Formats: sequence, C-alpha cells, structure tokens
Amino acid sequence: AQKITQTQPGMFVQEKEAVTLDCTYDTSDQSYGLFWYKQPSSGEMIFLIYQGSYDEQNATEGRYSLNFQKARKSANLVISASQLGDSAMYFCAMSHMNTGFQKLVFGTGTRLLVSP
Amino acid sequence: NAGVTQTPKFQVLKTGQSMTLQCAQDMNHEYMSWYRQDPGMGLRLIHYSVGAGITDQGEVPNGYNVSRSTTEDFPLRLLSAAPSQTSVYFCASSYLSAGDTGELFFGEGSRLTVL
Repeated sequence: AQKITQTQPGMFVQEKEAVTLDCTYDTSDQSYGLFWYKQPSSGEMIFLIYQGSYDEQNATEGRYSLNFQKARKSANLVISASQLGDSAMYFCAMSHMNTGFQKLVFGTGTRLLVSP
Repeated sequence: NAGVTQTPKFQVLKTGQSMTLQCAQDMNHEYMSWYRQDPGMGLRLIHYSVGAGITDQGEVPNGYNVSRSTTEDFPLRLLSAAPSQTSVYFCASSYLSAGDTGELFFGEGSRLTVL
C-alpha cells in the first residue's frame, strides 16, 4: 500500500533561516512521483515541487529543494531563507505510474510558522 | 484564466438533504478528481475521472456520486448528507499526457457543514 508519513505536526523557524520538513513514503513500486504542496490560511493548494523516482538529481524550484533519499524512502522539503509568507500547511504527496500519476496520496501535513 | 472553479464555496446542509458541488476547468484537462480534507487526515481521494464518460472510485467514495458528461465539468453529488461528510472539498484537474508529472491544479475548495 502507498503511504506518506509526515511526523512533524508543527515547525517553527525564524525569518531568513532554512527549515526542513520531513516526509517518508512507503511503496513497493519502482516508478513513482513525489510532490509538495503548500496550503496557506486562505485554503488553496499550491504546487511547490516535484521529484520523479528516476530523477538522479534533487529537484529545486527557487527557494524550495527536495532532498530525495531513495534508499531511505524520504523526500524532505527544504525551504531556504524563510519568509513570513511561508507560514502555511505543507503537504507531501505521492503518485504511482501503475495507478496513474494523477492519483495523489497525501500525508497529514506539517504546519510551518515563520516568526520575525 | 479561470483554472479550476468550484461552487459553492460554503454550504450548510441538514442531515438527509442532497446537494451538488460543481467543478469546472478551462484548461482542457483530461483528468479530474474530488478530494476531501479533514483535520489531521490530509486529503483523501473520493472519485476521479480520466475523461468524459469515465469515472472511478477513490479511497473514500461512499455517500458520493459523480458523472463526467463533458471534459470541462465534474460535479460531486451528495444524495443524503450525513454529519460525517462535513469537510472541505477540493476539485483538482491535470493532464494525462505521457511523461507529464501529474501535477494537480486545485480549485479553491468548498466548505460543507452537515448538521
């Protein structure tokens, strides 16, 4: 079964510091994708970053990078130089080629609070 | 560019009432889906569709019906609402093209309360 685990219910970071949000996944498939979404207090879901299971390099998108450790089945999100606007819920999600890359399974989320 | 549009944004129902959550997308996405979000449980897939006339169940389909008569629209129907269906509902769509990452584009959500 596919499962995403986010063990940090909440995280605090000071503005301009870096923060890592943890995500581990469970799958027996070889072909899968890993996603991170941001959900601010307004409620919308914002796509941040994607990592394919066959991608050898870690994905990066601006201040976001995904620390992909395939053997450990982890896909941690690193946010560099945190900003006040980064305060939000962050969800890790996974999809599989076998079931369709669009069928995402989500973790329970981590609430990030950035303080001045 | 509207993207994914959900209506209504807020709804209060009484137990046993029926209603339809509307979802429309203008990106010509083949794939559309409905998720529900409950506190502490993340988002869970209710139903999905890979094209007009094709629908399938997700993780939590009970109590919900869907249909896909056009590429643009994917309504979610609650036939007899229950308090357990109090949740925030998200519609999401995506391309099905080979090699695509499968990034989902989400609507703004619909908050439903069943009394």
